[in-house]
Amino acid sequence: ETAVFQTPNYHVTQVGNEVSFNCKQTLGHDTMYWYKQDSKKLLKIMFSYNNKQLIVNETVPRRFSPQSSDKAHLNLRIKSVEPEDSAVYLCASSSRDWGYEQYFGPGTRLTVL
Amino acid sequence: GEKVEQHQSTLSVREGDSAVINCTYTDTASSYFPWYKQEAGKSLHFVIDIRSNVDRKQSQRLTVLLDKKAKRFSLHITATQPEDSAIYFCAASMANSAGNKLTFGIGTRVLVRP
Repeated sequence: ETAVFQTPNYHVTQVGNEVSFNCKQTLGHDTMYWYKQDSKKLLKIMFSYNNKQLIVNETVPRRFSPQSSDKAHLNLRIKSVEPEDSAVYLCASSSRDWGYEQYFGPGTRLTVL
Repeated sequence: GEKVEQHQSTLSVREGDSAVINCTYTDTASSYFPWYKQEAGKSLHFVIDIRSNVDRKQSQRLTVLLDKKAKRFSLHITATQPEDSAIYFCAASMANSAGNKLTFGIGTRVLVRP
């Protein structure tokens, strides 16, 4: 049963454009994440957001910025996309109070032409 | 920062046999080690985890072993079934890491042959 929702499923755009991806979780979790999974399936954390505190991975380029309106939503904006941004972006959530298990959304596949 | 190495990129086993996936980590402060499964075309799904206060955890056909001295942990799947075919990712994090940050291995593709 899906509890972490992502839109869109796919997005194709050109270099230099701005894109925005949405993520919503219905689990009541306090913490949400964005991961990037490249074509070799390598997974890297980009951001985690616990209530009002954003934890940024210092290796993420500044053109990436997370946006959160409340603890159930964490969007990702990419200003001026580049070809190396082509990947699957996975949103996840977890509760810090138990298990540390993370629940992943289905992902958004970004292709930059 | 933490680095997690997953030593097998692919693993092929016959249905009914056991599969073992090995991972190592570098940071002695890491204390939480989950495993995730990704089936073809799907997202990640949690399968089992282990914390550093134990060295073994079992859940049905899955067993995780942790050797803190060697900084090594492994996933054992017994009596493999076709539905076990997937990519398995190991990960590590520190208990007090801000935002429960996980560092993932590169994944092991497990193929269960009939």
